[in-house]
Amino acid sequence: EAGVAQSPRYKIIEKRQSVAFWCNPISGHATLYWYQQILGQGPKLLIQFQNNGVVDDSQLPKDRFSAERLKGVDSTLKIQPAKLEDSAVYLCASSLEVGVAETQYFGPGTRLLVL
Amino acid sequence: KQEVTQIPAALSVPEGENLVLNCSFTDSAIYNLQWFRQDPGKGLTSLLLIQSSQREQTSGRLNASLDKSSGRSTLYIAASQPGDSATYLCALTSYGKLTFGQGTILTVHP
Repeated sequence: EAGVAQSPRYKIIEKRQSVAFWCNPISGHATLYWYQQILGQGPKLLIQFQNNGVVDDSQLPKDRFSAERLKGVDSTLKIQPAKLEDSAVYLCASSLEVGVAETQYFGPGTRLLVL
Repeated sequence: KQEVTQIPAALSVPEGENLVLNCSFTDSAIYNLQWFRQDPGKGLTSLLLIQSSQREQTSGRLNASLDKSSGRSTLYIAASQPGDSATYLCALTSYGKLTFGQGTILTVHP
């Protein structure tokens, strides 16, 4: 079974530029998550989708971050404009359904450096 | 708000040693607790999951315990190997959300 795929793996941009990350979850997984992991910290949930609807985006900085999950499969996370403090690893995860007992499977992440 | 703390932040041990990683949390209303492993440039891999009604889980050389009343969990690694070198994260599921600690960076040297 293929795992969660993410691209690109690495991205370097200058502040005020825009950037987009892509995630392809495990086939059949209804729930998709985006996490931000700053160096030396644990992952922090940015947004959670159930199919193509948003379940939780309470920690998403909506003035600069946006995410969508068209057709309930792939998802993109965009930052516009980027700030220095956005330098982090962005992890995508998926689970079969939404629910506290569901195991989340993580992708390898996209490492973003904002200069 | 749930807060998760891991101690120590980093640990370096010689191969063969037994070691303990600690995780503490502020709100005992948890559904389950997981220990993850994170290798550089890779995603997170779930090692052990303890339901709130359980006290411990074991997998090979790994043993995780959970004490909700004191807000603590430990991950015990027996007979450590260089291949165990990674960052270990504990994460709690509470109120439908997964909350992570900051991780412990483990280095096992030959």
